[in-house]
Amino acid sequence: KQEVTQIPAALSVPEGENLVLNCSFTDSAIYNLQWFRQDPGKGLTSLLLIQSSQREQTSGRLNASLDKSSGRSTLYIAASQPGDSATYLCAGSSGSRLTFGEGTQLTVNP
Amino acid sequence: DAGVIQSPRHEVTEMGQEVTLRCKPISGHDYLFWYRQTMMRGLELLIYFNNNVPIDDSGMPEDRFSAKMPNASFSTLKIQPSEPRDSAVYFCASSSLLGGGYTFGSGTRLTVV
Repeated sequence: KQEVTQIPAALSVPEGENLVLNCSFTDSAIYNLQWFRQDPGKGLTSLLLIQSSQREQTSGRLNASLDKSSGRSTLYIAASQPGDSATYLCAGSSGSRLTFGEGTQLTVNP
Repeated sequence: DAGVIQSPRHEVTEMGQEVTLRCKPISGHDYLFWYRQTMMRGLELLIYFNNNVPIDDSGMPEDRFSAKMPNASFSTLKIQPSEPRDSAVYFCASSSLLGGGYTFGSGTRLTVV
């Protein structure tokens, strides 16, 4: 059974800082890894999807990498902005189920 | 595409009443998923469909919960009778890819009093 852990649970940084969010999973047979953003009281917005044959994906200031051998994924946010404040969730699948981590609550202070 | 559409956005009901949540997936997506999110348990998969057929309902908590997908553009999640512990945000998601590429709806916030 796939288990996904995210560290840290909460992070507060000043505006402009580069930061890394971590995600680890127990089943190295993970197929896809997806990062989401969730604003308070809102649904989940997909940020990046790393498919099984890929090792990283980039979108604007975001870069996500996947290392199956170590069971880790990282989400790198460059030049953070107050608008980046949200909860970030990673989710991995090793079969039909997409298993979510508990999220990292990010606060970017102006 | 308008994305995954869920209704209602908010639902407040009394214990014992029947509740029906609705979802319209993105056109062309073969997979539809129902998730529940609570503070205590995070996001939990309840059930998913492939081509309108329920594939895995092992996450459905009790017989009080049932889900249907009568056609490719509509799904319902029903709770009968509802209980206060069912209070949560229920999300519907769809995908053309199993295990990734999910698009989520805005959710239905259910409160059972």
